Amino acid sequence: DTAVSQTPKYLVTQMGNDKSIKCEQNLGHDTMYWYKQDSKKFLKIMFSYNNKELIINETVPNRFSPKSPDKAHLNLHINSLELGDSAVYFCASSQIMNTEAFFGQGTRLTVV
Amino acid sequence: GESVGLHLPTLSVQEGDNSIINCAYSNSASDYFIWYKQESGKGPQFIIDIRSNMDKRQGQRVTVLLNKTVKHLSLQIAATQPGDSAVYFCAERSQGAGGTSYGKLTFGQGTILTVHP
Repeated sequence: DTAVSQTPKYLVTQMGNDKSIKCEQNLGHDTMYWYKQDSKKFLKIMFSYNNKELIINETVPNRFSPKSPDKAHLNLHINSLELGDSAVYFCASSQIMNTEAFFGQGTRLTVV
Repeated sequence: GESVGLHLPTLSVQEGDNSIINCAYSNSASDYFIWYKQESGKGPQFIIDIRSNMDKRQGQRVTVLLNKTVKHLSLQIAATQPGDSAVYFCAERSQGAGGTSYGKLTFGQGTILTVHP
């Protein structure tokens, strides 16, 4: 069983389009995250949700809107995609206390 | 050898050697640290963690050392194998506002480890 799964794995789309990436975790964790990894492999947190509530919202353009329908899911919707949005996006989850985060396989987004 | 600058630091070792990967963290208030391994095309995978009340923790073939005085973390891999080739990240978790546990996980730059057979 995949602990943290995100879909799609690859996403190629044109500038200006709107797209969504889905994430699900079956670990029973309370907290979920979205991270962005750029071409230099730098990983930066974008959002964190705890029990469906937004906890961390880094300085991310408001074209990015996370949605958590329940604590096992955290989806990422991106409006008006730009070339600079091209990156690998990782979903992750952890327990509320200080424990490690488990990462999904990533979604490679390419905006053309 | 190692290189820094616009590219990720790299470490090349021979199979069977011991590897040491270093990381400097920034927040003296961070109380929890993790090492992750990321193989090509995959998400980061947990290796080992350490809390700030410890200075050393050992796992299977891996040891993490924490020096809070100089805000330095290291990962030692014993008898490095070709399967250890990956990008290694250190991450620190700082407390959230009001000392909550909602603190975010901040990743370091990453080091590319290449193990030659």
